[in-house]
Amino acid sequence: EPEVTQTPSHQVTQMGQEVILRCVPISNHLYFYWYRQILGQKVEFLVSFYNNEISEKSEIFDDQFSVERPDGSNFTLKIRSTKLEDSAMYFCASSDQGQSYEQYFGPGTRLTVT
Amino acid sequence: SQELEQSPQSLIVQEGKNLTINCTSSKTLYGLYWYKQKYGEGLIFLMMLQKGGEEKSHEKITAKLDEKKQQSSLHITASQPSHAGIYLCGADGREYGNKLVFGAGTILRVKS
Repeated sequence: EPEVTQTPSHQVTQMGQEVILRCVPISNHLYFYWYRQILGQKVEFLVSFYNNEISEKSEIFDDQFSVERPDGSNFTLKIRSTKLEDSAMYFCASSDQGQSYEQYFGPGTRLTVT
Repeated sequence: SQELEQSPQSLIVQEGKNLTINCTSSKTLYGLYWYKQKYGEGLIFLMMLQKGGEEKSHEKITAKLDEKKQQSSLHITASQPSHAGIYLCGADGREYGNKLVFGAGTILRVKS
């Protein structure tokens, strides 16, 4: 069964460093998403991406964040200068259509900023 | 107030018992999604409901969406230890935008 994969599973970084989180969405999907979940809190939307551009972003997704689809398979989230409060699980999701279609989530990357 | 309210926050049931988890939206929905999460892991898609009054089942899990499309319930029949985890409802809609908004989750523990 096709699935969304994410690497790395755990990343530890120092405050101020740049990190890139990688995702491989399901191959025929066209809509891509990043969410995050701070420990003990809700899953929160960060950004959606379609047709090589951001379609929607939350207020969390500030200038420190960027997304890219560098090739036909990968979808990346970059945090330029990490802060302690960026520590969270980051989930990538994909769907084959937009609104009102199920999104399939990856296993997540646990980001720890020290 | 919360956009998506889930209740209860946590639940401990004896193996074999039935249980219900509720999700109430403050806004009209296009779709209501149920996911299961094990602690520290990803979200596993369970079911999506779109039509008012719709009901779907998967193995021993049944979910319903009310006619007004603002409330859903997830019902597990004859619970097993494998049902333990965190159940999350998610929603999208005109007022939510092209993204999923999630409830806080319901932690389910099943005692053998």
